[in-house]
Amino acid sequence: RKEVEQDPGPFNVPEGATVAFNCTYSNSASQSFFWYRQDCRKEPKLLMSVYSSGNEDGRFTAQLNRASQYISLLIRDSKLSDSATYLCVVNTVSYSSASKIIFGSGTRLSIRP
Amino acid sequence: DAGVTQSPTHLIKTRGQQVTLRCSPKSGHDTVSWYQQALGQGPQFIFQYYEEEERQRGNFPDRFSGHQFPNYSSELNVNALLLGDSALYLCASSLPDRGETQYFGPGTRLLVL
Repeated sequence: RKEVEQDPGPFNVPEGATVAFNCTYSNSASQSFFWYRQDCRKEPKLLMSVYSSGNEDGRFTAQLNRASQYISLLIRDSKLSDSATYLCVVNTVSYSSASKIIFGSGTRLSIRP
Repeated sequence: DAGVTQSPTHLIKTRGQQVTLRCSPKSGHDTVSWYQQALGQGPQFIFQYYEEEERQRGNFPDRFSGHQFPNYSSELNVNALLLGDSALYLCASSLPDRGETQYFGPGTRLLVL
């Protein structure tokens, strides 16, 4: 089993739709969680951190469920510019304070006009 | 404020050769991580450097080695290149107390023939 798993997609949705991605992780000791966005042939860029209480940034909402070990990303009123690959990232800090950062394989999202 | 820079942008090598990739972190960052991203996959963690020492390492063979300089820049060396080493190599920098928030460079595309 992969340490971080995502549905690879692709998700193909019309502009204005709401779309949700889930990501599961296997290490219950993981401490911090993020969503990154990666455009084609570009580097990943931080989209948002994910907190236990859930957090929202404009049209984007991220949630963490520690009991079930999954995180989610909800995009409302999707725009053409939201087309990208969304990467789930899980970080576990060891006793030596070193971070073990695991990326999921990414979920491809394509927004059609 | 310069972001993370990497050189070269593209590289073609043949099997058995050695390669050195370079990274300069974002201003103020002293922690550098290296990732390998194969086509269609998420970035895979290679190792992380802090205070000129390797602090954490992923599941990569000893052919992959690195170095961090006093100015926090870093090099990734790969010896005895294999066809399977063809990938996008990403460098990410971060602050030591917020090591999980990664800022990525544009990457180096390595093709091994």
